[in-house]
Amino acid sequence: DIQMTQSPSSVSAAVGDRVTITCRASQGISSWLAWYQQKPGKAPKLLIYAASSLQSGVPSRFSGSGSGTDFTLTISSLQPEDFATYYCQQANSFPITFGQGTRLEIK
Amino acid sequence: QITLKESGPTLVKPTQTLTLTCTFSGFSLSGSGVGVGWIRQPPGKALEWLALVYWDDDKRYSPSLKNKVTITMDTSKNQVVLTMANMDPVDTATYYCAHRRSSDSWLRVYFDYWGQGILVTVSS
Repeated sequence: DIQMTQSPSSVSAAVGDRVTITCRASQGISSWLAWYQQKPGKAPKLLIYAASSLQSGVPSRFSGSGSGTDFTLTISSLQPEDFATYYCQQANSFPITFGQGTRLEIK
Repeated sequence: QITLKESGPTLVKPTQTLTLTCTFSGFSLSGSGVGVGWIRQPPGKALEWLALVYWDDDKRYSPSLKNKVTITMDTSKNQVVLTMANMDPVDTATYYCAHRRSSDSWLRVYFDYWGQGILVTVSS
C-alpha cells in the first residue's frame, strides 16, 4: 500500500494568512493526488484533483502543486470558512489511501 | 444534480453483519466511467477507503478488509450496497458513500460527490 503522510498535523493561522500543507507519498504517484476539505460533522469536499486541477466551484485561493512523492496545498489568503481539516488522497493505484489529515485552526 | 444518501442501522452488535445502502440520483451506474465507493471515518480519526464498484461491475476492495466487506450494485434501483461481516467495536465509524469523478480514466479515483454519512456504532 502507498502510505500518505501529511505535515503538519495541525496549524494555526489568521484570516488573510497564506498557508501551505504538505503531503508525501511513500512511493512515486506521478500527479495522481487529490485534496479534500472537511468541516466538523460534514462530508469531505473535493478541492483539487490530479495534484493541481481545481474542482469546479472551488475558490481560486486554493491551489495544489507537486508530482512524484511531494505535494502541497496552498491557501493564498485564508478566509473564515477555510478553517477545517484537510486530507490528501492518492489515486495512483489501489488500495486508495488517505493522509492522516491536517487541522487548520484559527490563531 | 448528483446526490447520495446512506441508510441502514446505526447500532449493531459485535459479530453481526452490517448492511448499508447508498441511494443516489443524478447519474446512472450503467454509464461508462461511473463508480461509487465507500469510505469510513472512526470518530476523530482519518478517512479510510473500503471498496469501490465500477459501472461494469468491476469491484475493488481494501486488502485489509477484503474478507470482511462486499460491495454490490443494483442499477435498476440506483443503489449500491455495502455488507460488512463480523462487526467489531473498532468498526464504529461514520460510513460515507461517494461518487467517482467520471471524466477521469478508470484507474484514477477522485470522489467528487459524497453522501452525508451515517454513524454506525458497534456495541453490545
